[in-house]
Amino acid sequence: DAMVIQNPRYQVTQFGKPVTLSCSQTLNHNVMYWYQQKSSQAPKLLFHYYDKDFNNEADTPDNFQSRRPNTSFCFLDIRSPGLGDAAMYLCATSRDLSGPTYNEQFFGPGTRLTVL
Amino acid sequence: AQKVTQAQTEISVVEKEDVTLDCVYETRDTTYYLFWYKQPPSGELVFLIRRNSFDEQNEISGRYSWNFQKSTSSFNFTITASQVVDSAVYFCAPSDVYSGAGSYQLTFGKGTKLSVIP
Repeated sequence: DAMVIQNPRYQVTQFGKPVTLSCSQTLNHNVMYWYQQKSSQAPKLLFHYYDKDFNNEADTPDNFQSRRPNTSFCFLDIRSPGLGDAAMYLCATSRDLSGPTYNEQFFGPGTRLTVL
Repeated sequence: AQKVTQAQTEISVVEKEDVTLDCVYETRDTTYYLFWYKQPPSGELVFLIRRNSFDEQNEISGRYSWNFQKSTSSFNFTITASQVVDSAVYFCAPSDVYSGAGSYQLTFGKGTKLSVIP
């Protein structure tokens, strides 16, 4: 019954080597979010998609990109990971302006990224 | 934009004790939502409750209860008869009504780490 799936759960990459994290959802939600959560910190929103419309947070580094080829999938690309990018990356979804849970965000289990 | 303070960084209680997690928020919005999420060691954020700002009734769900005081901008969370499975980080997160572009921006507090000792 998994609703928001993130693969892999653990990812190790090398300094400067591009890495892609994936997220898929079975909820058919319009909105998909990517958060970065560093150790003992609050999740920080990087960007989100509303359908195919991409919305970047002002302070998200250019090193972070995202793709959403269809409703179900969303990818986070880190072009040149630095040591400071080691974190948990959380994907979430929400529906648009309808239904009783319309602004609840459903989170995946996260991908923990290690940069060597 | 919202701001949230969870003053308690870590709390330890013995199993079966009651525990209250504090949340104080700031917002310029007249209408807003407040959320609590639980993050167990596995990492996934689990939704606990959503409360809108014009509904000040307190809510109880099993061992969980929430005390919303709009006058003091607080939305505290109490776990009654705590259990080891309650050990997790708990985040309070206000949200605006609508951020545009289909999204609802959650502003997470720094979280309170709860450890329930058997």
